[in-house]
Amino acid sequence: DAGITQSPRHKVTETGTPVTLRCHQTENHRYMYWYRQDPGHGLRLIHYSYGVKDTDKGEVSDGYSVSRSKTEDFLLTLESATSSQTSVYFCAISELIYGYTFGSGTRLTVV
Amino acid sequence: DAKTTQPNSMESNEEEPVHLPCNHSTISGTDYIHWYRQLPSQGPEYVIHGLTSNVNNRMASLAIAEDRKSSTLILHRATLRDAAVYYCILRDSGNQGGKLIFGQGTELSVKP
Repeated sequence: DAGITQSPRHKVTETGTPVTLRCHQTENHRYMYWYRQDPGHGLRLIHYSYGVKDTDKGEVSDGYSVSRSKTEDFLLTLESATSSQTSVYFCAISELIYGYTFGSGTRLTVV
Repeated sequence: DAKTTQPNSMESNEEEPVHLPCNHSTISGTDYIHWYRQLPSQGPEYVIHGLTSNVNNRMASLAIAEDRKSSTLILHRATLRDAAVYYCILRDSGNQGGKLIFGQGTELSVKP
């Protein structure tokens, strides 16, 4: 989607290894979000950020950490990946008066 | 976070209007009503949002009940490309982050 990119698009990793997913925006939006989507669960909020170095937990934050050192980048880290974290991860950006814009997603497989 | 209730699935015929309902009886005064859709194998896509008045854009119309306890997303002329899961979500504009909490949505199928 225009103004937001996720990297990598696909990743296969081994159980126990650290993984970092990157979300980059060019819209200068204040708010950024990480969701995961699994069959039967829909989209669930992991973490979100309301400014540089301001982050908070979502519905399913256990096993994940985030960092936002500058407006344009929001990183999601799995400190020690587990098979239950196999999922599709979506990043989103927003300003309060506007709708969200979602990235194209990162498909992560933990083997 | 206030909740929404949507039918699990709906069917429509191509080129006919579609009315997707959403109930949100616990809506608060600072909640905006947002609609998103997700096409197969894609990320969610913003459709429309509103607070109190009906809203129109190039994709759809949003009709909001006078008491704001329900709303309807209207696709004026469904196409095969409109087959998707449609999510109705309340976004608290007064809450830090204004985060969206997704429900299960309505799966819309469009028949030729």
